[in-house]
Amino acid sequence: RKEVEQDPGPFNVPEGATVAFNCTYSNSASQSFFWYRQDCRKEPKLLMSVYSSGNEDGRFTAQLNRASQYISLLIRDSKLSDSATYLCVVNVIGGYQKVTFGIGTKLQVIP
Amino acid sequence: SAVISQKPSRDICQRGTSLTIQCQVDSQVTMMFWYRQQPGQSLTLIATANQGSEATYESGFVIDKFPISRPNLTFSTLTVSNMSPEDSSIYLCSVVRDRAYEQYFGPGTRLTVT
Repeated sequence: RKEVEQDPGPFNVPEGATVAFNCTYSNSASQSFFWYRQDCRKEPKLLMSVYSSGNEDGRFTAQLNRASQYISLLIRDSKLSDSATYLCVVNVIGGYQKVTFGIGTKLQVIP
Repeated sequence: SAVISQKPSRDICQRGTSLTIQCQVDSQVTMMFWYRQQPGQSLTLIATANQGSEATYESGFVIDKFPISRPNLTFSTLTVSNMSPEDSSIYLCSVVRDRAYEQYFGPGTRLTVT
């Protein structure tokens, strides 16, 4: 089983739709979680951290479910500019930090 | 966040040669990392660049192939040695500034080995 798994998509959704991505992780010692956005031929950029209580930033909501070992990202009222690949990142932090990126989920928002 | 620059932005190199990539940050950072992203793949961590000591390499990556320097808290280099076409990839540096462990990436270096 991969350490971090994501559905690579693509997810093709119309403008204004709500779309959700899930990401599962295998290491129960994982302690911090993030969603990154990567546009084509660009570097990944931090979208949001994922807190245990869940967090929201405008149209974006991130949730963490430790019992089932997954995190989710919900995008409401999709915009054309949301088209990108969304990367799930999981950290195990101790004396040595281990960072694992998922393969990413590609989103295409269609006019 | 952090402002990170990388040089070169891209290069085409012949097999058997070496390329050194530079990563410069606009302020001191705690941790710096080097990643590789091959076409259609996600990011793979190569190593953690430690200031004043040897880098910590991930499984599958060795110092002889990817020597790393980090002379201070704002600068690091990654060398890709004795290159082969399989080394064609995007190489990215990233930094972590605080305990939140949020990473910020440089723009990447697109390497093609012929």
